[in-house]
Amino acid sequence: NAGVTQTPKFQVLKTGQSMTLQCAQDMNHNSMYWYRQDPGMGLRLIYYSASEGTTDKGEVPNGYNVSRLNKREFSLRLESAAPSQTSVYFCASSESGSNQPQHFGDGTRLSIL
Amino acid sequence: KQEVTQIPAALSVPEGENLVLNCSFTDSAIYNLQWFRQDPGKGLTSLLLIQSSQREQTSGRLNASLDKSSGRSTLYIAASQPGDSATYLCAVVAPPYGYALNFGKGTSLLVTP
Repeated sequence: NAGVTQTPKFQVLKTGQSMTLQCAQDMNHNSMYWYRQDPGMGLRLIYYSASEGTTDKGEVPNGYNVSRLNKREFSLRLESAAPSQTSVYFCASSESGSNQPQHFGDGTRLSIL
Repeated sequence: KQEVTQIPAALSVPEGENLVLNCSFTDSAIYNLQWFRQDPGKGLTSLLLIQSSQREQTSGRLNASLDKSSGRSTLYIAASQPGDSATYLCAVVAPPYGYALNFGKGTSLLVTP
């Protein structure tokens, strides 16, 4: 009954360090998404993958890269972390199609010092 | 650019009251509208999904309506309970980012015993 699993749950980085946030889903969903949540800003889309082998930029992609490793896994990489990337990151997945609910992980809380 | 607004930002009600949360969006070209619940430090839980051709959806004590032409949705919670205390998020699925969600900033609900 895992659903969407994100690792790590918490992380503190120094400016300039790199890190990869992992996301895996066990629901055989085709579509996966990365969002960030900031106080006063709501959730914003970073990148999405409509299906295995495809990735596309969302509203706020600068400073991030993604990899859709296989159907289950969708990772988000920060190559050179900046304090502005301090946020809570959520991964989500859904079936293909316009009217499918998205299922969210519990988030990764990332602080950049 | 699609803008999603939720009013009020925060709401406190005594247990047992019926309440309404409001959501508005600026572009009526949506695929669907979704309501989520977020508990502190947790991910998002999908509550209701209303397709663009539908007017309302119901689940237990929750009823969501959609008026696409006016760009409005309401979430009605009947007989509120302290366990309903959470942040409620409204989101629309609309272009240009595939079937990704475009979120409002949420309404923080506190139900007092």
